[in-house]
Amino acid sequence: TQLLEQSPQFLSIQEGENLTVYCNSSSVFSSLQWYRQEPGEGPVLLVTVVTGGEVKKLKRLTFQFGDARKDSSLHITAAQPGDTGLYLCATRNSGNTPLVFGKGTRLSVIA
Amino acid sequence: SAVISQKPSRDICQRGTSLTIQCQVDSQVTMMFWYRQQPGQSLTLIATANQGSEATYESGFVIDKFPISRPNLTFSTLTVSNMSPEDSSIYLCSGGLGDTQYFGPGTRLTVL
Repeated sequence: TQLLEQSPQFLSIQEGENLTVYCNSSSVFSSLQWYRQEPGEGPVLLVTVVTGGEVKKLKRLTFQFGDARKDSSLHITAAQPGDTGLYLCATRNSGNTPLVFGKGTRLSVIA
Repeated sequence: SAVISQKPSRDICQRGTSLTIQCQVDSQVTMMFWYRQQPGQSLTLIATANQGSEATYESGFVIDKFPISRPNLTFSTLTVSNMSPEDSSIYLCSGGLGDTQYFGPGTRLTVL
């Protein structure tokens, strides 16, 4: 089973600041997904990255997949209180197998 | 896409009792899974719910403690048996459609 390391575990920042969250593994990812979970809800898919070096943008969120497909980052520009939540990276070992999650980064954006 | 609902949304139970959580998906999904999320923690996979056959459990989870049913492609149940306070957690149902997994809102269980 592939192990995912996420950092930092906790992050508290002021509104308007930028931040980066990291997800790493010692193994190559076939693909990697980023989810956000808000209190009282299940995780919601933000993005899937598949190709090494890939960069995807979702409004103020920029997702990057490492060239070697062993790491990924999520960068948020000008964070807003609505960005508060638990950010999780996840991957599959193969095919239709279930997602395995990292430990998550709990982000708090203070107005 | 798929919308997943769970019942109950939360419950408070006494030690030694059992609770069955229901999961309903609004479309047919190929795979269904059950996860546990301890307070402030990430998601840990309990088992894959297989239609018409026994669920596939992850290491550390057993059928006697967490019996699972999946009678069709859109419905599954998870029972937490003989509960103890250590079972207090959020239990999430998930359905797979293509490369995407969708999640229910979770059932928050507190065992006294």
